[in-house]
Amino acid sequence: QQPVQSPQAVILREGEDAVINCSSSKALYSVHWYRQKHGEAPVFLMILLKGGEQKGHEKISASFNEKKQQSSLYLTASQLSYSGTYFCGTEGSGGQNFVFGPGTRLSVLP
Amino acid sequence: EPEVTQTPSHQVTQMGQEVILRCVPISNHLYFYWYRQILGQKVEFLVSFYNNEISEKSEIFDDQFSVERPDGSNFTLKIRSTKLEDSAMYFCASSELDRVAEQFFGPGTRLTVL
Repeated sequence: QQPVQSPQAVILREGEDAVINCSSSKALYSVHWYRQKHGEAPVFLMILLKGGEQKGHEKISASFNEKKQQSSLYLTASQLSYSGTYFCGTEGSGGQNFVFGPGTRLSVLP
Repeated sequence: EPEVTQTPSHQVTQMGQEVILRCVPISNHLYFYWYRQILGQKVEFLVSFYNNEISEKSEIFDDQFSVERPDGSNFTLKIRSTKLEDSAMYFCASSELDRVAEQFFGPGTRLTVL
């Protein structure tokens, strides 16, 4: 079952922060985050495994709340290069197919 | 830096024709995937492949689709009888370990069915 992402789209000014949420109705084993720029392939950002961990990648970090079956991606002090569509991908605890969410389109303006 | 490559970059075909999309995964990777992305929509999982067999497939991956690793380097997706709705970008990806690992995506093949 496809995870839900919110918001669908967000517009920021350079230097502002954003949070993108991903939630599932099923118990999750892992959450993946990818960024896709227009006309390009998705690029891996990070994976979070069940256990409620938090990870960081430069100024982009994420958390995974296993109990709530949701993950949040935090972008701090956004840069123009952060623009793109962010997809979460989830794998269920029951070994269900890896499924991407619908994506959140992020636009960072100067 | 090693990368996943895909050919062709753009394929145009007539409805009902067979197409084969080719991918060369990163050489030491063991897990291979095909995804589809209809223009402006989300990335959809089609199939995963490990140890020369399909490990998982989605409901999209019906009988008209097949995958093969014909030699030690190529990984192919065949669509037997293309439909208009098969028009999409098809991405191949590979990972060193199972799905709980970074997937490296190829640049994609844009399939246009007329």
